[in-house]
Amino acid sequence: EPEVTQTPSHQVTQMGQEVILRCVPISNHLYFYWYRQILGQKVEFLVSFYNNEISEKSEIFDDQFSVERPDGSNFTLKIRSTKLEDSAMYFCASSNEGSQPQHFGDGTRLSIL
Amino acid sequence: GESVGLHLPTLSVQEGDNSIINCAYSNSASDYFIWYKQESGKGPQFIIDIRSNMDKRQGQRVTVLLNKTVKHLSLQIAATQPGDSAVYFCAENSGNSGYSTLTFGKGTMLLVSP
Repeated sequence: EPEVTQTPSHQVTQMGQEVILRCVPISNHLYFYWYRQILGQKVEFLVSFYNNEISEKSEIFDDQFSVERPDGSNFTLKIRSTKLEDSAMYFCASSNEGSQPQHFGDGTRLSIL
Repeated sequence: GESVGLHLPTLSVQEGDNSIINCAYSNSASDYFIWYKQESGKGPQFIIDIRSNMDKRQGQRVTVLLNKTVKHLSLQIAATQPGDSAVYFCAENSGNSGYSTLTFGKGTMLLVSP
């Protein structure tokens, strides 16, 4: 069964450094998403992406965040200058259509020191 | 703001029992709901979804019920197995542009004893 893959599984970064989280969505999907989950809390929406542009973003997704689809398979989330409060699990998801169920990867655990 | 929440943070059942996990939502404009299962160290795994024009949908061993009058969603798992032990999240489509922006509830942990 096709799946969303994310790398790395765990990223440790010094505060203030840039970090790029990578995702390979399911191949025939057209809608891409990033969510985060702070330890012990619920999953929170960050951003959705379709047709090479952001379609929606949350208040969390401020100027320090950016997304890119650099080629036909990868979808990345960049945090320009990480803060301690950015420590969380970051999940990538994709869907075939905007109203179809999103399928999630197993996440990247981001630890900011 | 509007949110999705869960009544029971932890549900403990015996293997073979039927489990019911509940979820209350507050956004009356939501038209699409999903249940996800999250095992330790894994991402949310799609279980079943339902649209607002339905009140019941069945899958393999799972049934989702939607009561729009009281804004309540439930997930029923038949013959619960130890492998069903996980955190279960309901989520609603809260996107404004027709894209599926999911708002998740806090989750219910299901513990199944053999």
